[in-house]
Amino acid sequence: QVQLQESGPGLVKPSQTLSLTCTVSGGSISSGGYYWSWIRQHPGKGLEWIGYIYYSGSTYYNPSLKSRVTISVDTSKNQFSLKLSSVTAADTAVYYCARDGLIWGQGTLVTVSS
Amino acid sequence: SYELTQPPSVSVSPGQTARITCSGDALPKKYAYWYQQKSGQAPVLVIYEDSKRPSGIPERFSGSSSGTMATLTISGAQVEDEADYYCYSTDSSGNHSWVFGGGTKLTVL
Repeated sequence: QVQLQESGPGLVKPSQTLSLTCTVSGGSISSGGYYWSWIRQHPGKGLEWIGYIYYSGSTYYNPSLKSRVTISVDTSKNQFSLKLSSVTAADTAVYYCARDGLIWGQGTLVTVSS
Repeated sequence: SYELTQPPSVSVSPGQTARITCSGDALPKKYAYWYQQKSGQAPVLVIYEDSKRPSGIPERFSGSSSGTMATLTISGAQVEDEADYYCYSTDSSGNHSWVFGGGTKLTVL
C-alpha cells in the first residue's frame, strides 16, 4: 500500500528557507488523478492547509502563505517537496504530507530558532 | 478568507450519540471531509464527500450535510473515539483554496 514519509531538517534558523521532502513508497507519484498536499499543525493548535500540487503539475497554495511557498514534484525520485521561505518562529510546526487527504505521513516537527 | 466553524468541545457518555457540526458558507456547494486525530498521531480520514466512509472506518461513523452545515455523527460512541475532529473543505471562489475547521475535542466518559 502507498506510504508517505516526510524528511528534512528539524531545526531552521529565522529568515532561512524551510525545505521538506515527502517520499512516496508503494506507488508511483506519476500516477494520474492524485493531488499531493502539505499540511501543518502548530504546537497544540489545529490543522492548516499549506497547499498541494496536482498530478498535472498545477499548484495551489494557502493565500496566507502563497508568497513564501513552493511545492514541487521530482518524479525520478518519487518525491514531492515543500519550500517555505523567510521563516519565523511562527512557522514552528509539525509538517505533514498527504495524498488526496486520505494517506498521510507521520509528520515531522520543524522548529524555527536561532 | 473562508472559514469553517466547529464547536470547541463535545462531551458524551459511552454508548451515546455524538454529533459534531461544521458550518461554512460554501458547504451547500462543496463537500465536507472529516478527520480524527488522536494525541500525538497523524490525522485519519473518517468521512469524505459529506457522507462516504473510507475502508476500515467503523460503521458508527457517519456524515451528513444540509445547507451550510455538515455534521459528523458517531453512533454509540466508544472511549477510543475520544479525539480531536476536524472538518475540511474548500471555498466556492474557484481558487482551489482549502481550509480546516478549528477542531472539536470529543470527550467520551
